[in-house]
Amino acid sequence: GQNIDQPTEMTATEGAIVQINCTYQTSGFNGLFWYQQHAGEAPTFLSYNVLDGLEEKGRFSSFLSRSKGYSYLLLKELQMKDSASYLCAVSPGSGFQKLVFGTGTRLLVSP
Amino acid sequence: GAVVSQHPSWVICKSGTSVKIECRSLDFQATTMFWYRQFPKQSLMLMATSNEGSKATYEQGVEKDKFLINHASLTLSTLTVTSAHPEDSSFYICSASRLPGNTIYFGEGSWLTVV
Repeated sequence: GQNIDQPTEMTATEGAIVQINCTYQTSGFNGLFWYQQHAGEAPTFLSYNVLDGLEEKGRFSSFLSRSKGYSYLLLKELQMKDSASYLCAVSPGSGFQKLVFGTGTRLLVSP
Repeated sequence: GAVVSQHPSWVICKSGTSVKIECRSLDFQATTMFWYRQFPKQSLMLMATSNEGSKATYEQGVEKDKFLINHASLTLSTLTVTSAHPEDSSFYICSASRLPGNTIYFGEGSWLTVV
């Protein structure tokens, strides 16, 4: 089976740093994606990791450890507009386009 | 601009009727598209894989006779919710990839409300 876990909700303050964790157990692994989703909208791509290590892209960074089945998304210099749901998704290997999504983490950034 | 487009963005239908949602890849061909469903405050759940020119592959627990998928061309997949009921009310979203590459594009999503 496929199991991807994330914290349900997190809160943080504007300007701070927040780390959203994701653990996964899947039948196969062909990469891990992070998406941002505002309420009522489609997910927006943030990052893709297929090798171990840290990928940095502006204020957002994503880390992957395949041996531990673990990833995190790091958001720096938080802004109010970062309040959204953050979805961790794994491509389980049967064609990388197919994604299994985690439970999603709702992040609330306060002033 | 969008590279995967869905239509309609929102639809209200009466219980017992059928409703069709379209997913189009705008400037590339997609032999495979994916349909997801998202209930309020929940994550996306994969419903089925839409294969151009062949039958769709459904995830466990998804009724293939209720959620009809047709992928008749390389740029269009349709999801028809048959005999809709209020519990089918949800956000339906499709995805496709432009190959080569590993970028997955999502459509804008379609809100279905069954009354």
